[in-house]
Amino acid sequence: GAVVSQHPSRVICKSGTSVKIECRSLDFQATTMFWYRQFPKQSLMLMATSNEGSKATYEQGVEKDKFLINHASLTLSTLTVTSAHPEDSSFYICSARGMLGTDTQYFGPGTRLTVL
Amino acid sequence: KQEVTQIPAALSVPEGENLVLNCSFTDSAIYNLQWFRQDPGKGLTSLLLIQSSQREQTSGRLNASLDKSSGRSTLYIAASQPGDSATYLCAVTRGTGRTYKYIFGTGTRLKVLA
Repeated sequence: GAVVSQHPSRVICKSGTSVKIECRSLDFQATTMFWYRQFPKQSLMLMATSNEGSKATYEQGVEKDKFLINHASLTLSTLTVTSAHPEDSSFYICSARGMLGTDTQYFGPGTRLTVL
Repeated sequence: KQEVTQIPAALSVPEGENLVLNCSFTDSAIYNLQWFRQDPGKGLTSLLLIQSSQREQTSGRLNASLDKSSGRSTLYIAASQPGDSATYLCAVTRGTGRTYKYIFGTGTRLKVLA
């Protein structure tokens, strides 16, 4: 089946620094990737939709200048959390949708971000 | 605005019981509905996908039903096992093409006791 990876799986950083999280589709080309965040014991909240070669579409309330998304190729999307603060600490999950436009999204294993 | 709610929020049962997890959504104009499993600190594992034109899907001990008109889906787990302990999430999809996206439910945390 389709596999999506994320790197790193865990990251700890100091307040004020920037952190980049990578999302890769390993065995298929993903025209669309999605970024979610999940707080403890809460559900996934969609942050933004990333289409290859175009600007990401952000959900209401998500700061696009703080959460920079780049989808430069059909197999890679990156999320950069700029000037991270403790309240940005969360579990970030990406998913990818294939070129064939199937209904299924394939989810990555997630990245745990802790900002000190 | 689409809202997806899951009941119960948490459930603890002895091994062997048959379970029903509920998912309700406010807008019946969905594309499909999908059930996921999430283990602590991990990503999502897809369990069952129900197209909007379908009424149910089955995989092993799992059966999911969909009633679009009433905005409800249920996930039935037969003969539960301790390994079924996890958080179960339902998600509805809406939109097509570039507007396509998932909206997740609030989740049910299941614990099956040995």
